Amino acid sequence: DTGVSQNPRHKITKRGQNVTFRCDPISEHNRLYWYRQTLGQGPEFLTYFQNEAQLEKSRLLSDRFSAERPKGSFSTLEIQRTEQGDSAMYLCASSHSTGIGNTIYFGEGSWLTVV
Amino acid sequence: GENVEQHPSTLSVQEGDSAVIKCTYSDSASNYFPWYKQELGKGPQLIIDIRSNVGEKKDQRIAVTLNKTAKHFSLHITETQPEDSAVYFCAALTNAGKSTFGDGTTLTVKP
Repeated sequence: DTGVSQNPRHKITKRGQNVTFRCDPISEHNRLYWYRQTLGQGPEFLTYFQNEAQLEKSRLLSDRFSAERPKGSFSTLEIQRTEQGDSAMYLCASSHSTGIGNTIYFGEGSWLTVV
Repeated sequence: GENVEQHPSTLSVQEGDSAVIKCTYSDSASNYFPWYKQELGKGPQLIIDIRSNVGEKKDQRIAVTLNKTAKHFSLHITETQPEDSAVYFCAALTNAGKSTFGDGTTLTVKP
């Protein structure tokens, strides 16, 4: 078990460009989450999938943000027309969906810097 | 919307002392309460968790208590060590997949 894997770990992009982050969850986990974290704050929930279904996306920060999980395995988070305010760490996490309490395991995050 | 308040935001203790971090949540549907430790530049790591059918859980130097009536839960670290220095986050989750995190506590353990 290699844990939750995120790529790239660091991305510097110019304002207005599009960026895409990839997340590979723990293999037997059917739930996958995306969060954003800025300095001094806790992870801010963006969206999550159960298998390939996106069950919650109202927290995505704007219509420039979108996420996919086409085959219920890996997921991508895309930010279009990046703005400086998008600079943050984007965290992916995964869990099971059964029982009380679904332990969420995080990846190491993808740092985005928009210049 | 759902909210998790975490206190204190910073905590400094002497090595060997105890540290206590408290969180209060608002969503009554929350039934799972994990605690994470985050070191600089890394993702949060789960250190302990508690489910709503349990009032207290202990794992070596770390313990967590839950009071569902009052909607608050606490992390207790005993015999603190310098390597415990990090940012700690609490979270409240529901079965529907909603998760809300506190804003973190920066713990510094002085040798």
